[in-house]
Amino acid sequence: AQKITQTQPGMFVQEKEAVTLDCTYDTSDQSYGLFWYKQPSSGEMIFLIYQGSYDEQNATEGRYSLNFQKARKSANLVISASQLGDSAMYFCAMREAPPTGANSKLTFGKGITLSVRP
Amino acid sequence: EAQVTQNPRYLITVTGKKLTVTCSQNMNHEYMSWYRQDPGLGLRQIYYSMNVEVTDKGDVPEGYKVSRKEKRNFPLILESPSPNQTSLYFCASSRTGNVEDQPQHFGDGTRLSIL
Repeated sequence: AQKITQTQPGMFVQEKEAVTLDCTYDTSDQSYGLFWYKQPSSGEMIFLIYQGSYDEQNATEGRYSLNFQKARKSANLVISASQLGDSAMYFCAMREAPPTGANSKLTFGKGITLSVRP
Repeated sequence: EAQVTQNPRYLITVTGKKLTVTCSQNMNHEYMSWYRQDPGLGLRQIYYSMNVEVTDKGDVPEGYKVSRKEKRNFPLILESPSPNQTSLYFCASSRTGNVEDQPQHFGDGTRLSIL
């Protein structure tokens, strides 16, 4: 089973509107971290927001917020007031808590392409 | 400025010609990692290092080597590159491998084309 699932093939949003990008995850660990990264056409990976599994409040960073529903194992990214510069690929990722000394890699979803229309 | 620096950014080369992609971080991070990104597959981990002289395989290590002789550097070596290693490569680092030590900081990527 996939650890991170992003099923939306591509999203379109009108400039200045809000958009939600979906992400579901699968883990049996109690401690884990959820991340969203943005990849513009230039290719670099830009960290947007982080949610820890024990955080009781949804994370927010400027126009980005993470709608964390632990029981449903979902971690959707909400972008408010979309801008043209938000057009990019967006990746959801998870970092699980391994046994001491083991790898703590990021597991990525396949990404969602967001296009912002003027 | 805190950063992860990869070189080169772009490289076109031929099958079998050994190449090295360098990665350096200036944040004194213990954990470093290499990923490759392919269309429709997201990012997959190649190798990682928990600290100096400690390296191990990720999900797709075949055809790659790494070394970690110094804390700041983590080069990726392709001894005999093949066309299926054509990809976008990222180096990343974080303070430790713990979940709490987030996020991983990524380099700007290296686009490799193996002809």
